[in-house]
Amino acid sequence: EAGVAQSPRYKIIEKRQSVAFWCNPISGHATLYWYQQILGQGPKLLIQFQNNGVVDDSQLPKDRFSAERLKGVDSTLKIQPAKLEDSAVYLCASSLAPHEKLFFGSGTQLSVL
Amino acid sequence: DQQVKQNSPSLSVQEGRISILNCDYTNSMFDYFLWYKKYPAEGPTFLISISSIKDKNEDGRFTVFLNKSAKHLSLHIVPSQPGDSAVYFCAAWEIGNEKLTFGTGTRLTIIP
Repeated sequence: EAGVAQSPRYKIIEKRQSVAFWCNPISGHATLYWYQQILGQGPKLLIQFQNNGVVDDSQLPKDRFSAERLKGVDSTLKIQPAKLEDSAVYLCASSLAPHEKLFFGSGTQLSVL
Repeated sequence: DQQVKQNSPSLSVQEGRISILNCDYTNSMFDYFLWYKKYPAEGPTFLISISSIKDKNEDGRFTVFLNKSAKHLSLHIVPSQPGDSAVYFCAAWEIGNEKLTFGTGTRLTIIP
């Protein structure tokens, strides 16, 4: 079974630039999550999708972050404009349904200079 | 507001001995708990879980204990092996809320 795919693995940008991350969940997984993990902290949920609808985006900084999951499969997370404090690993995860075990991708390491 | 706390940032254990990782929580509405393991440059992988109706769950070398009255859970690894060296995250689900809340993690190092 293929796992959760994420790209790119690494990204370095300057502050105020834009960046986008892509995620392809495990086939058949209806629930998709984006987490932000800052160094030394645990993963923090940014947004959760159920199929192509948003379930929870209460911790997403909506003035600069946006996410979409077209057709209920792939998802993109965008930051525009980036700030220094956005430097983190962005993890995508998927599960068969809410409250089911999450499977994580390898993440995208973002450095904002 | 850190609802799931792992107060030990790091832990070193001799190979073959028992590793005990601790986790405390403050939200009494949490009803399901999970442990995830993370190697560098990889995403977290599921290790073991426990429902709030149980006080123990075992899977091979890994056992999770839950003390609801103390709002405390622990992960025991026996015997510890070098491949167990990783960061371990405790996570919890709340009744009626689909958001999985993670702790800050404990870096476990197994000394050969």
